[in-house]
Amino acid sequence: NAGVTQTPKFQVLKTGQSMTLQCAQDMNHNSMYWYRQDPGMGLRLIYYSASEGTTDKGEVPNGYNVSRLNKREFSLRLESAAPSQTSVYFCASSADRVHTEAFFGQGTRLTVV
Amino acid sequence: QKEVEQNSGPLSVPEGAIASLNCTYSDRVSQSFFWYRQYSGKSPELIMSIYSNGDKEDGRFTAQLNKASQYVSLLIRDSQPSDSATYLCAAEVGSARQLTFGSGTQLTVLP
Repeated sequence: NAGVTQTPKFQVLKTGQSMTLQCAQDMNHNSMYWYRQDPGMGLRLIYYSASEGTTDKGEVPNGYNVSRLNKREFSLRLESAAPSQTSVYFCASSADRVHTEAFFGQGTRLTVV
Repeated sequence: QKEVEQNSGPLSVPEGAIASLNCTYSDRVSQSFFWYRQYSGKSPELIMSIYSNGDKEDGRFTAQLNKASQYVSLLIRDSQPSDSATYLCAAEVGSARQLTFGSGTQLTVLP
């Protein structure tokens, strides 16, 4: 049982380049999330999707777009990467949005130079 | 004011001692609270959830919730070196019940 799978695990981008982080879950969960983690900042919510076909902004959405492709997949796109987007990105999923455990992927370490 | 706040630490305790981790939250409507453990370079994993006032025990872990004081804590009894990690407090906040995390407390258990 793979759980939540993120790709890639590591990525280096030049300023202005674009890329998409992929996330897939095999637990039939309704809700999916993208967080970024910076030293001393904890996890900050970028976007979330409460169910297939819906997406909502979190705490730090600027510079990002998301797509809930189907129930399994939730992608995060950086259209024009900036050094401030250097971070570790985590995808997570939960059965529902309230009162349920969130399971995390292994993370993507992104460096923008 | 951050919606979920933790003492950033770091916190060091000797092996066998009780480690106490604290968290406060600002949204009075929050109903669900969680403690996640994150080892260095790894992803967070849930260790405790609590929804009602009072204590909830699971093995060496006890979560405490006081909604009147907007306070959540985690006690780790008989701390082991393997408990050394960053502990993240989380709460569902806002009308959209977004899962919001504190900045984490780094715990080191000294052998």
